[in-house]
Amino acid sequence: GQNIDQPTEMTATEGAIVQINCTYQTSGFNGLFWYQQHAGEAPTFLSYNVLDGLEEKGRFSSFLSRSKGYSYLLLKELQMKDSASYLCAVRDITDKLIFGTGTRLQVFP
Amino acid sequence: ETGVTQTPRHLVMGMTNKKSLKCEQHLGHNAMYWYKQSAKKPLELMFVYSLEERVENNSVPSRFSPECPNSSHLFLHLHTLQPEDSALYLCASSERRISGANVLTFGAGSRLTVL
Repeated sequence: GQNIDQPTEMTATEGAIVQINCTYQTSGFNGLFWYQQHAGEAPTFLSYNVLDGLEEKGRFSSFLSRSKGYSYLLLKELQMKDSASYLCAVRDITDKLIFGTGTRLQVFP
Repeated sequence: ETGVTQTPRHLVMGMTNKKSLKCEQHLGHNAMYWYKQSAKKPLELMFVYSLEERVENNSVPSRFSPECPNSSHLFLHLHTLQPEDSALYLCASSERRISGANVLTFGAGSRLTVL
């Protein structure tokens, strides 16, 4: 079956670095997405990886290893506003987008 | 503001009521989607419309009835719902339906409570 695994909850301190992991088992692979969702708000696109390696975008970076079925989202210089849920999603061989349950990140002062 | 607007933001209805959720996108996208988001569960794709034609229906019960009158508007008509249908219903749009890098733009959702 298709499966996306990510931790349910994480906590971190303002100014720190946090890494949110995502492992996947899907029918083929056509790209991996990370979305951010603040409570009561729309999920918003953060990053897209289709090739192995690291994609950097400001304080946020996303890494992909297709051979390991693994990705992580790295958040640097954490701010209070980074408290949100982070959704990992994989597009499979049929272009269907499979979502994980999301990781709720709480940033403390 | 993402460019995808959903109304109402909150809805409480009884099991015998009929109501509708509305979604409007101002992005010029050609594909629109309904997703269901329940606590501690992954986002579940319900319906996909591409150029106003329904192209995907993921075994959704008939008590949910989608309508796409044009490429900017999408509705979800609800009737005789069950308490387990209580969830956040998210609308999304994208430039086109099938593409590896196709990014979804979501609305803020309609929080539905069925009593």
